[in-house]
Amino acid sequence: DIQMAQSPSSLSASARDRVTITCQASQDISDHLNWYQQKQGKAPKLLIYDASNLDTGVPSRFSGSGSGTDFTFTITSLQPEDIATYYCQQFDDLPLTFGGGTKVEIK
Amino acid sequence: QVHLVESGGGVVQPGRSLRLSCAASGFTFSHYAVHWVRQAPGRGLEWVAVISYDGSHKYYADSVKGRFTISRDNSKNTLDLQMNSLRAEDTAVYYCARDRIHHSGTYGWGLNWGQGTLVTVSS
Repeated sequence: DIQMAQSPSSLSASARDRVTITCQASQDISDHLNWYQQKQGKAPKLLIYDASNLDTGVPSRFSGSGSGTDFTFTITSLQPEDIATYYCQQFDDLPLTFGGGTKVEIK
Repeated sequence: QVHLVESGGGVVQPGRSLRLSCAASGFTFSHYAVHWVRQAPGRGLEWVAVISYDGSHKYYADSVKGRFTISRDNSKNTLDLQMNSLRAEDTAVYYCARDRIHHSGTYGWGLNWGQGTLVTVSS
């Protein structure tokens, strides 16, 4: 199975700060990576697919980059509504595997 | 709009069975692979199983292989998960999720999710 190491597990930042989350795959997965946002008590929502493509309707302050084994997710200007847990997920092979999640809070 | 509604969750004793369902609407269900993904309380996401758009291919996580069975009825736009020999560690919110791309041979290429149904395995 492909392991996804996501860091940090939690972070606290001020509104309008730039936030960065990293995800490292245990083997080369090309750009076969998605990012999801999960708000408390809700289902995950797809934000980014193919490592860097924004899903329809996702604000442009969200972005993703990377390929191979190292990936980055960025919120350029943190908004109060971005408080959530974020997960990476690889789809290079089954079983699909997820990172452990990053809980983002506002200071 | 993709609409997925799970049902069938509840409290069940260890060793017993439970069947979950997912009703799909807003898209051509028979064109998409669909998954079950679960989340234990306070924990991360764990993929459970996927079924191809036509039901001809099914894949499972090792943790549920031999105990869970995924199936679909494209005439009724429904996805099911038959869960047998349930264990305490199967306690979780179970989500059904659709692949973003239809007729894709690449599973998990972006998932759209239902709201989930809670399964609690406890005596």
